[in-house]
Amino acid sequence: GQQVQQSPASLVLQEGENAELQCNFSTSLNSMQWFYQRPGGSLVSLFYNPSGTKHSGRLTSTTVIKERRSSLHISSSQTTDSGTYLCALVYGSSGNKLIFGIGTLLSVKP
Amino acid sequence: GPKVLQIPSHQIIDMGQMVTLNCDPVSNHLYFYWYKQILGQQMEFLVNFYNGKVMEKSKLFKDQFSVERPDGSYFTLKIQPTALEDSAVYFCASSRDWGGADQDTQYFGPGTRLLVL
Repeated sequence: GQQVQQSPASLVLQEGENAELQCNFSTSLNSMQWFYQRPGGSLVSLFYNPSGTKHSGRLTSTTVIKERRSSLHISSSQTTDSGTYLCALVYGSSGNKLIFGIGTLLSVKP
Repeated sequence: GPKVLQIPSHQIIDMGQMVTLNCDPVSNHLYFYWYKQILGQQMEFLVNFYNGKVMEKSKLFKDQFSVERPDGSYFTLKIQPTALEDSAVYFCASSRDWGGADQDTQYFGPGTRLLVL
């Protein structure tokens, strides 16, 4: 079956430190989507990244299809970055579906 | 970014009753989705919907579940009858397209927290 594994499960940083979140997948895919899930539960789309590297402010996403992995890099972390980061494999042959990882819980301390 | 709205934000009902969850997708989007997240667990795909039809559904999409979008109004998820295990947060999402480009990006609503007693 389709599998998406995220690491680490949780991460604690001091403000200003960088973070590298990993996502590994075991099946072919259309793309990878990264989300930030707020403590209240709502999801914010960060990146849609089928391959290569994309940048958005302090965030960078890199997807390497051959190695079946995608990463999210957060530079100069801030306390407001705290929350859960989810990767999701964009998969499907009759319309897309997202197959989610369990998430990385990030806590940034002042 | 694009906004998806969900109504209601919370719903408490007795087991066996019917419930309808409403989603107002992004205005020019053509593909619609429902996902289910039980507290502390992984988000899971339920169903996707395009051009008035279910395209794919997961094993979680039980016979008691149905979806529709009559005349371009709300995209709805109906559960009839409800069971205790249906308690979860249900997220609606929409995308412009599918097939491997940026227009596939799925945008999520804030979720409806359903509690079945």
